[in-house]
This record gives sequence, structure tokens and C-alpha cells, in this order.
Amino acid sequence: EAEVAQSPRYKITEKSQAVAFWCDPISGHATLYWYRQILGQGPELLVQFQDESVVDDSQLPKDRFSAERLKGVDSTLKIQPAELGDSAMYLCASSFGRGAEAFFGQGTRLTVV
Amino acid sequence: QQQVKQSPQSLIVQKGGISIINCAYENTAFDYFPWYQQFPGKGPALLIAIRPDVSEKKEGRFTISFNKSAKQFSLHIMDSQPGDSATYFCAGTGANNLFFGTGTRLTVIP
Repeated sequence: EAEVAQSPRYKITEKSQAVAFWCDPISGHATLYWYRQILGQGPELLVQFQDESVVDDSQLPKDRFSAERLKGVDSTLKIQPAELGDSAMYLCASSFGRGAEAFFGQGTRLTVV
Repeated sequence: QQQVKQSPQSLIVQKGGISIINCAYENTAFDYFPWYQQFPGKGPALLIAIRPDVSEKKEGRFTISFNKSAKQFSLHIMDSQPGDSATYFCAGTGANNLFFGTGTRLTVIP
């Protein structure tokens, strides 16, 4: 069964260090989302791609976060420098297109110490 | 601004009972309303979804009821089982972003 792959599953990093997460969406899915989920809350969108283009990054803290999807397939989300408040689950999701059902990966649990 | 409001925050139901989770949305451009189930440490998994042209959708023990005029929709879990214990999120989307509710933690007591 096709699924969204994310790595690493867990990451512990020190404050002010750089950290990166990787996502490989379901084959053929043009839309890719990165969400952040703080424990006990719902996922909040950080950035949305349509193929290789960013369609919404209005909630992405651009002073420290960056995201890319160079060939319109897999994607990387980077945080530099990491702050204590960035500790959360980072979820990647993909769908055939905007407004279609989205499928999530297992997420990357980030802990900043 | 919370695009999708969800209640209750937590819910405890006896095995065999009916679990009901309610959501309301503001954005009339939304045309797709999925529900996700999330177990601890896992990503959300799509459970069931509905479009506003129907008032109800049923899949097994899970039913979505949709009231377009009130901009409300709800998830009913019939014959709730301990294995249904998880956090449930409603969501809404139009042409762009997928907006989530704040989640309902369901506990089904054996």
C-alpha cells in the first residue's frame, strides 16, 4: 500500500543547531503539505506545495524555517537555528491535488534541548 | 482564527455506546470535510470524508452527518470499541489549505 515516507522518526537537537526533515509523498501526488503539531493540538499548516511551487507559506516562520521541493517529488523542511519552542511533531501529507483527500506520514518527533 | 471548531475536547464512552463529535466551520468555500483518526505517536489517518452535496455518509460503524445551512457536521461512531480510543480531528478544505479542528480525545471504556 502506498504511503507517505518521512525521516527521521525522531530527532533530538540542541537549541541553535540546524535540523532537517525529509518527506517522500505518495507517487503521483502533486500537492505536498508540511504541518506542525504541538502535543494535544491539531496540525497547523506550515507550507503547501503544488508540484515544485510554493502555494502557501504564510504560516512558515521564514526567519528560521525553509522548505523546498526541487523536482516536485520529495521535500525537505529545515529549521536553523532551532529553538525550544520548535519541539513538536512535524507531519508531511500529500494529495492528488488541492482540496483532495490528504494522506499523512508517520511524522518526525522533534525535541529541542 | 480557527477555521474549524470542534467539540468536545474529550469524550468517554462505554463499550457498545455511541460516540458523537461535532464540528462547525466558517468558510463557505470549503467543499470537502474529512475526519482523521490519530493514535499516539502516529500521523493522522483518513477515516471518512463527505462533500456538502450529501447530508449523510456511512462507512461501517462510522457516519458523518452534514448540515450545510448550519455549517455544521458531526461524526458518529456506533458500537464504540476500546480500539476506537484515539484522537479524532475534523477538517475542512476548499481549493487550498486543509484546516483542522482542535481534536477530540475519545476513550472507550471496556
